[in-house]
Amino acid sequence: GENVEQHPSTLSVQEGDSAVIKCTYSDSASNYFPWYKQELGKRPQLIIDIRSNVGEKKDQRIAVTLNKTAKHFSLHITETQPEDSAVYFCAATSNTGNQFYFGTGTSLTVIP
Amino acid sequence: DAGITQSPRHKVTETGTPVTLRCHQTENHRYMYWYRQDPGHGLRLIHYSYGVKDTDKGEVSDGYSVSRSKTEDFLLTLESATSSQTSVYFCAISEGTGINEKLFFGSGTQLSVL
Repeated sequence: GENVEQHPSTLSVQEGDSAVIKCTYSDSASNYFPWYKQELGKRPQLIIDIRSNVGEKKDQRIAVTLNKTAKHFSLHITETQPEDSAVYFCAATSNTGNQFYFGTGTSLTVIP
Repeated sequence: DAGITQSPRHKVTETGTPVTLRCHQTENHRYMYWYRQDPGHGLRLIHYSYGVKDTDKGEVSDGYSVSRSKTEDFLLTLESATSSQTSVYFCAISEGTGINEKLFFGSGTQLSVL
């Protein structure tokens, strides 16, 4: 099956700085890559996703990039704010299977 | 919240007892999933369903069974709970009629096995 690795496991940034979280995947058939944000005690919430026919996608302060050749994708958060503090998960799946495979998460802390 | 309800929200049980968690959806989505979340492991798939009475195993299915007798309900059963099954359990649904659609989670069930 697919193997998704996520780095770093923890990340601290000053408010206003950028944060980058990176994931790699193993299955070249994977073609859909969502990112989730999970606040303490809450459910994971989908914040952005990208499909393999697109190299980059932006939504306000959040962007995701995908490098299919290298099998990695990244989440970029600009102008970070304290409310961005949470655990972020990447995931991968393909349309040849029904399973979503998740990374182990990155705990982001934005220091005011 | 994509119309997903999990019950119970919290449960404490003893080793060796059976436990059933329920996931209910209101929007007739085909795909439903059960994940467990543990520190350092992220979200791991236990079982999933792609239709009524159609289920398959995920990566951590040992000790768990599932049933889906109606489109809207997906049940997860721990036949004989063990302490290693203490975890937060999330149900998820995949929107749309096909695979590879957006995945949305329920609020979770905190299960403690003593």
